[in-house]
Amino acid sequence: GAVVSQHPSWVICKSGTSVKIECRSLDFQATTMFWYRQFPKQSLMLMATSNEGSKATYEQGVEKDKFLINHASLTLSTLTVTSAHPEDSSFYICSARLGDVNNSPLHFGNGTRLTVT
Amino acid sequence: QKEVEQNSGPLSVPEGAIASLNCTYSDRGSQSFFWYRQYSGKSPELIMSIYSNGDKEDGRFTAQLNKASQYVSLLIRDSQPSDSATYLCAVNTDKLIFGTGTRLQVFP
Repeated sequence: GAVVSQHPSWVICKSGTSVKIECRSLDFQATTMFWYRQFPKQSLMLMATSNEGSKATYEQGVEKDKFLINHASLTLSTLTVTSAHPEDSSFYICSARLGDVNNSPLHFGNGTRLTVT
Repeated sequence: QKEVEQNSGPLSVPEGAIASLNCTYSDRGSQSFFWYRQYSGKSPELIMSIYSNGDKEDGRFTAQLNKASQYVSLLIRDSQPSDSATYLCAVNTDKLIFGTGTRLQVFP
């Protein structure tokens, strides 16, 4: 069964508005969650690492003021796409590790398909 | 040079055959390796993890790792049409890096 829940599964918004995506770990605590983005026919690209109780770590080229991450509890991380534009349309996927060991695999949420019109 | 490389495919195999998927990586310090399956429009699903050189089998799937050659592969025995998907190789250094994936098509 799913270990990571993501909501919503899809969203359509108008250019200039903001969209919030939620990622929850089910039945386990995740001090760290990872946000990926995938454009059509491309691989997953890590956007940022979400850390419970502290600031997120963003990958090079990802605007922290545009993609706001909040990890306020051990089971919930949120990604807010602010002032969305059509080029932000993509598949956003969150993930977490079941254990704290860095070598353990990531388990992914079902993803959120964002379309900005 | 890309950190994780895969042939994009498509790799077409008949039902019942063995599908062989390959992946190379650039960071010799990588310690853990994963294969994910991704159906169109869906998020990746973990198939196999491998951490040491050699083979690891799980049902119809066998992962093979050769750290000296920086090479990891996935064999799918008795391929089924339902195996048709994109297979992503992922390598863990200080973060999990994905290849672009190989699209597998299994035809009846």
